[in-house]
Amino acid sequence: QITLKESGPTLVKPTQTLTLTCTFSGFSLTTNGVGVAWLRQPPGKALEWLASINWEGQKGFRPSLQNRLTVTKDTSKNQVVLTLSKMDPMDTATYFCAHRPDNDVSPYFQHWGRGTLVTVSS
Amino acid sequence: DIVMTQSPDSLAVSLGERATINCKSSQNILSSSNNKNYLAWYQHKPGQPPKLLIYWASMRESGVPDRFSGSGSGTDFTLTISSLQAEDVAVYFCQQYYTPYTFGQGTKLEIK
Repeated sequence: QITLKESGPTLVKPTQTLTLTCTFSGFSLTTNGVGVAWLRQPPGKALEWLASINWEGQKGFRPSLQNRLTVTKDTSKNQVVLTLSKMDPMDTATYFCAHRPDNDVSPYFQHWGRGTLVTVSS
Repeated sequence: DIVMTQSPDSLAVSLGERATINCKSSQNILSSSNNKNYLAWYQHKPGQPPKLLIYWASMRESGVPDRFSGSGSGTDFTLTISSLQAEDVAVYFCQQYYTPYTFGQGTKLEIK
């Protein structure tokens, strides 16, 4: 059974850096083709993809945010960490991590975490 | 970016009746190399993880009831629930994974 869980602060101040951790089980980020993505959904808006990292350590970022985003993986801990710098109230959103089974055969998101609401406010 | 537009934004359907949700992409998401539409549908209930229902536009994920079906190609897609059950109340959203990932705004499905 594959599960993912997001963890991190629920409240951050403007200009601070957000650090979120996705802890997963049931799959390995060393398996060929596997990837983990971070996404977010601002209140009342559509989901938006933020970043991905795959089994080879290749990374992808949302172009409008790439200067503020980092993503890393710790395969020994089954974790993927996202940081988003210079937080702004517009970054208030529910943040999700999701599992992509295979880059070529099944590049959609098969499993998701429940998400974590992050509010940016002073 | 490929823009995904769903219609309607909300929908109320009687139990046992058919529910239809549409999703239109601003660009063709049918790959000429593998003849697959890069389109998925998800169900999202409050407090739960989004659940994959349909991938490659029409392939039902394992364990998803067969009352859920997906159709369409190119830029126009449809999710159909053939006979609405109470547990189907949720927000449904489409996603293209052609380049790289964008989502529809969601359709809230309720019981009439």
